Amino acid sequence: DTGVSQNPRHKITKRGQNVTFRCDPISEHNRLYWYRQTLGQGPEFLTYFQNEAQLEKSRLLSDRFSAERPKGSFSTLEIQRTEQGDSAMYLCASSSGLAGVTGELFFGEGSRLTVL
Amino acid sequence: AQSVAQPEDQVNVAEGNPLTVKCTYSVSGNPYLFWYVQYPNRGLQFLLKYITGDNLVKGSYGFEAEFNKSQTSFHLKKPSALVSDSALYFCAVRDGLDTGRRALTFGSGTRLQVQP
Repeated sequence: DTGVSQNPRHKITKRGQNVTFRCDPISEHNRLYWYRQTLGQGPEFLTYFQNEAQLEKSRLLSDRFSAERPKGSFSTLEIQRTEQGDSAMYLCASSSGLAGVTGELFFGEGSRLTVL
Repeated sequence: AQSVAQPEDQVNVAEGNPLTVKCTYSVSGNPYLFWYVQYPNRGLQFLLKYITGDNLVKGSYGFEAEFNKSQTSFHLKKPSALVSDSALYFCAVRDGLDTGRRALTFGSGTRLQVQP
């Protein structure tokens, strides 16, 4: 399968612990996005990379959240000192070229975080 | 600021009947508009987009959407619904201004139930 891959698919953690999610985009895609989706809501934008450069960050991305994309390939999203409000599905998407400009994104199946 | 409203949490339609899923938007400049679909345990999938040109855009699986600038709407339509169309549908918008921003704003979603 050559789609967007996210790991782990599910993560249960205790409040205060750190968690890290990984996203492997479609190989030829140079743009990568992180979104967060809570139950009953649409995805909310968190951050965007073009190659290794993080070009856009949402105000939702507090200081406890950090995202990286070393070498412009896979990306990681780390949440430090998790809170119960962080419980959500974390979605990764990728795109390339003009599709990235105009918004046609390819999404992974998401990583579900539950903070106890 | 950009925003999207999907006024219906759920739409029920009988198989074979036409369906409409409503979406209205607000952006500063010209809108880039999208519909995505989410099947159970699957990632979000791109259906169609409006960037410029013809107000009626055609997408995957027989879906189409009509852009109406005066009503700031982008309703999703299909002439004849299938049971397999049952899923969660999201409308999304991005401001077409050349700001370099790539964040899509999604609506809260509309669940489509097609009864046999």
